[in-house]
Amino acid sequence: NAGVTQTPKFQVLKTGQSMTLQCAQDMNHEYMSWYRQDPGMGLRLIHYSVGAGITDQGEVPNGYNVSRSTTEDFPLRLLSAAPSQTSVYFCASSYSSDYGYTFGSGTRLTVV
Amino acid sequence: KNQVEQSPQSLIILEGKNCTLQCNYTVSPFSNLRWYKQDTGRGPVSLTIMTFSENTKSNGRYTATLDADTKQSSLHITASQLSDSASYICVVHKRSNDYKLSFGAGTTVTVRA
Repeated sequence: NAGVTQTPKFQVLKTGQSMTLQCAQDMNHEYMSWYRQDPGMGLRLIHYSVGAGITDQGEVPNGYNVSRSTTEDFPLRLLSAAPSQTSVYFCASSYSSDYGYTFGSGTRLTVV
Repeated sequence: KNQVEQSPQSLIILEGKNCTLQCNYTVSPFSNLRWYKQDTGRGPVSLTIMTFSENTKSNGRYTATLDADTKQSSLHITASQLSDSASYICVVHKRSNDYKLSFGAGTTVTVRA
């Protein structure tokens, strides 16, 4: 089925560890983005990409890196995990800014 | 202060009843407003997208309204079902060349038999 695939679904990290959250879409969408969702708050944009080789920061980029080598994949890297990064992370893609976004099912990350 | 405010924060309704969720926003200039449904443990799924010129849009039992003058939107759920239990998120897209969206915190709806 076409859509956005995120892996892993759950992850527990120790403070200071690094890891990569994977995101892949098969809809040939140019736009992809990463959000974090915390209790009582709206989704906040971490990083986004408008095409292969092009990335930019969102509103909460500190502690995260991204790259976009292909249209399909947009991984999110946590450089040195901190408890403040405990959250649910969503990847989304879209054909254009006027279209709805397709979200992945999320990665629940706990940093201890 | 969040540019998109939703109310109520949560509500409980009986199966078969109707309910209305509210969204007030300050995002300007405005491009479009979206309502998403998010089931527990899942990603948000788009219900409706409305542009500045649209006043109402329906998707099955979901009807969204928009008053761009007062910067208010509502989502009406008709004849609720147990499967409507979810969080409903209002999202506003600012008219610009980027894809940045402003998300509300959501309204959690619980439908009881």
